[in-house]
Amino acid sequence: NAGVTQTPKFQVLKTGQSMTLQCAQDMNHEYMSWYRQDPGMGLRLIHYSVGAGITDQGEVPNGYNVSRSTTEDFPLRLLSAAPSQTSVYFCASSGSSLDYTFGSGTRLTVV
Amino acid sequence: AQSVTQLDSQVPVFEEAPVELRCNYSSSVSVYLFWYVQYPNQGLQLLLKYLSGSTLVESINGFEAEFNKSQTSFHLRKPSVHISDTAEYFCAVTRLSSASKIIFGSGTRLSIRP
Repeated sequence: NAGVTQTPKFQVLKTGQSMTLQCAQDMNHEYMSWYRQDPGMGLRLIHYSVGAGITDQGEVPNGYNVSRSTTEDFPLRLLSAAPSQTSVYFCASSGSSLDYTFGSGTRLTVV
Repeated sequence: AQSVTQLDSQVPVFEEAPVELRCNYSSSVSVYLFWYVQYPNQGLQLLLKYLSGSTLVESINGFEAEFNKSQTSFHLRKPSVHISDTAEYFCAVTRLSSASKIIFGSGTRLSIRP
């Protein structure tokens, strides 16, 4: 089925560990974004990309890295996990219509 | 930079009553505006959007929103809600010059009482 696929769905990390959240879309969308969702704070933009090879910082980029080597994939890397990064992470993609499709999310707990 | 304010964190209403979810944005330049809905334990789905043209936009399930440039608002309304409308609703904004950078509000949880 066409859409945005996020893996894993759940993850528990220890403080200081690193990991990569995967995001893939098969709709040939040029725009891709990563958000984190925390209670009472809505969705906050971490990083976004307007095409392969082009990324930019959002509202809360510290502690996260991204790359966009292909149109389909937009992985999010946590360099050294901290408890403050406990959150639900959403990846989204869109074409020029700005009809963003969201993935089902990754629930991350850092202990 | 643009920002979005959703004034109500929770809105309880009775089934078949009308509802308005408020959204105000801050931007010095022209914007695009969106409403997204999130049902429990799911990702977000686009409900409706304003890009240009008519300031009144409608969704397929009876919601509508009106872009008011002078009041910098984009309130979401429905004349008669159903239990299935129970969800969290997010307003979002982006500037025309950087359309891929969409900023969300903090959300409004709509709860419908029978």
